[in-house]
Amino acid sequence: SYELTQPPSVSVSPGQTARITCSGDALPKQYAYWYQQKPGQAPVLVMYEDSERPSGIPERFSGSSSGTTVTLTISGVQAEDEADYYCQSADSSGSYNLVFGGGTKLTVL
Amino acid sequence: QLQLQESGPGLVKPSETLSLTCTVSGGSISSSAYYWGWIRQPPGKGLEWIGNLYYSGSTYYNPSLKSRVTISVDTSKNQFSLKLSSVTAADTAVYYCARVVVVPAAMESYFDYWGQGTLVTVSS
Repeated sequence: SYELTQPPSVSVSPGQTARITCSGDALPKQYAYWYQQKPGQAPVLVMYEDSERPSGIPERFSGSSSGTTVTLTISGVQAEDEADYYCQSADSSGSYNLVFGGGTKLTVL
Repeated sequence: QLQLQESGPGLVKPSETLSLTCTVSGGSISSSAYYWGWIRQPPGKGLEWIGNLYYSGSTYYNPSLKSRVTISVDTSKNQFSLKLSSVTAADTAVYYCARVVVVPAAMESYFDYWGQGTLVTVSS
């Protein structure tokens, strides 16, 4: 079955840049999407189609793609950005199958 | 503002069927622009896609759950529902409903509006 791989944790100091990666064999052919989830809350879409930011998401959030890896970058990290981040994409095998990465816990030191 | 609200029993016995309903407000479930979906999250773990549905009744399911899942729609009530049969403790999770955006010309979708989620515990 198709898998997306994320680092379990990333830690940065306030004001620094956080980069969260997501790897998957189909990512050169499929877009990636990113969700932020704070404790006890539903996920929130923070990036779509690799690098498009939904309305209301701060400009410090950006996305990029290179080969089999996509990256969510948070510039000038703030304490409020501490959360779990999940990437999501689709299997490229021809069948409709949506997959989430295992999630990355972003800690703001 | 679109809102989604999950409802249903918080406790289900093993081997029985889990049933949840998602009520959509602030928008029509019959919109041709969107699908509607279910996602779950076991306590302390990651997200798992369960399945999506179009208002016409077309459905897509996670292959790993397909044999046990049914998603249906009631357009008159602006609701869609999830049934998961033969549940075990492994099905204990927070279940979310969400609106699904389909990317044209690609077998891709993503979730732009989510309900708050409802915890379903499988236990005797």
